Amino acid sequence: EAQVTQNPRYLITVTGKKLTVTCSQNMNHEYMSWYRQDPGLGLRQIYYSMNVEVTDKGDVPEGYKVSRKEKRNFPLILESPSPNQTSLYFCASSRTGNEKLFFGSGTQLSVL
Amino acid sequence: AQSVTQPDIHITVSEGASLELRCNYSYGATPYLFWYVQSPGQGLQLLLKYFSGDTLVQGIKGFEAEFKRSQSSFNLRKPSVHWSDAAEYFCAVGAMNTGFQKLVFGTGTRLLVSP
Repeated sequence: EAQVTQNPRYLITVTGKKLTVTCSQNMNHEYMSWYRQDPGLGLRQIYYSMNVEVTDKGDVPEGYKVSRKEKRNFPLILESPSPNQTSLYFCASSRTGNEKLFFGSGTQLSVL
Repeated sequence: AQSVTQPDIHITVSEGASLELRCNYSYGATPYLFWYVQSPGQGLQLLLKYFSGDTLVQGIKGFEAEFKRSQSSFNLRKPSVHWSDAAEYFCAVGAMNTGFQKLVFGTGTRLLVSP
């Protein structure tokens, strides 16, 4: 089954403790992206990647890192999480940059 | 840079009634336009998209949307709403020269369906 898998679904952590949210797709997609969803703000793009080793900032990249060492994986790294990064995070992928996005089920992150 | 506005935060519609969700975009050239739906606890699913051609596009689940360049709008419609349509709906706009690289989403409209 074609899918985008994010882990974990829920995560509670404390300020400053490094964490990684994993994202994997099994559709051989070139394009992958991370979004955060906050009430009243919709989805905002954090980072995206057009291919292996090619990443670029979205609209809200501060406090986040990503890497794309393999085509299928696109982890989101928070080196020193802060409470303002409490949010619902979505990973998405598409075959190219101009086609339908497939979304993961989301990761609800709480930073205390 | 492109932007999108969904003026309605919440809409309540009776089951069986028609639905129209509004979306206005801002972009200097022809945009890519999308509607996504998010059911509770789920990721987003594409309902329909407009790239070019016929301005009335059909999507899944009986939804359609009409691109009106003169009004910078891409409103979503459904002739008869079902209880299972209760969800949050997002309009999104992408620029022709960057495609999904800079896809911008609206703030969403939550649809409530009353019996």
